Amino acid sequence: AQKITQTQPGMFVQEKEAVTLDCTYDTSDPSYGLFWYKQPSSGEMIFLIYQGSYDQQNATEGRYSLNFQKARKSANLVISASQLGDSAMYFCAMREARVDRGSTLGRLYFGRGTQLTVWP
Amino acid sequence: NAGVTQTPKFRILKIGQSMTLQCTQDMNHNYMYWYRQDPGMGLKLIYYSVGAGITDKGEVPNGYNVSRSTTEDFPLRLELAAPSQTSVYFCASSSSSGGPAWIQYFGAGTRLSVL
Repeated sequence: AQKITQTQPGMFVQEKEAVTLDCTYDTSDPSYGLFWYKQPSSGEMIFLIYQGSYDQQNATEGRYSLNFQKARKSANLVISASQLGDSAMYFCAMREARVDRGSTLGRLYFGRGTQLTVWP
Repeated sequence: NAGVTQTPKFRILKIGQSMTLQCTQDMNHNYMYWYRQDPGMGLKLIYYSVGAGITDKGEVPNGYNVSRSTTEDFPLRLELAAPSQTSVYFCASSSSSGGPAWIQYFGAGTRLSVL
């Protein structure tokens, strides 16, 4: 089963509008972290926002917020006041907590991404 | 701040050749990872390391080898390159602490073509 599902291959939004990028996840681990990364056309992976499974409040970082609905296992990214520079591929990722060799394994599972295009 | 540095940025290999992708980080992170990203896909874990001298396989380890002799360096070795290894390779690192320390920081990537 897919650990991370992003159902929107592409999204379009007008500049200055808000947009929501969907992400659902699958885990039986009670302790996990959820991440969003941005990949512009230049190719680098840029960390945007993090949400821990025990965090009571939704994470926010500037214009980015993570709409965390634990019962639904969803972790949608909301970008407010979109800018032309927000055009990029966006990846949702999850990290499960697991003890291995006395340390916590930190592998990330990635979705396939959503290509966001912001138009003027 | 250098963060995670990968070299080279681009490389073309012939089938059967070998090469090493270099990765170094200056954040004193215990955990390091190698991912590959195929067109239109997310990232898949090749190998990871939880500290110097300790490595383990990820989801797609076949055709690759790694070593971790220092905290800073985590090279990825491709032996007998095949066209299926044409991809973009990312190295990442993270702290061993919990919570936000789980954030993985990525290098700029190496674009590899095997022809």
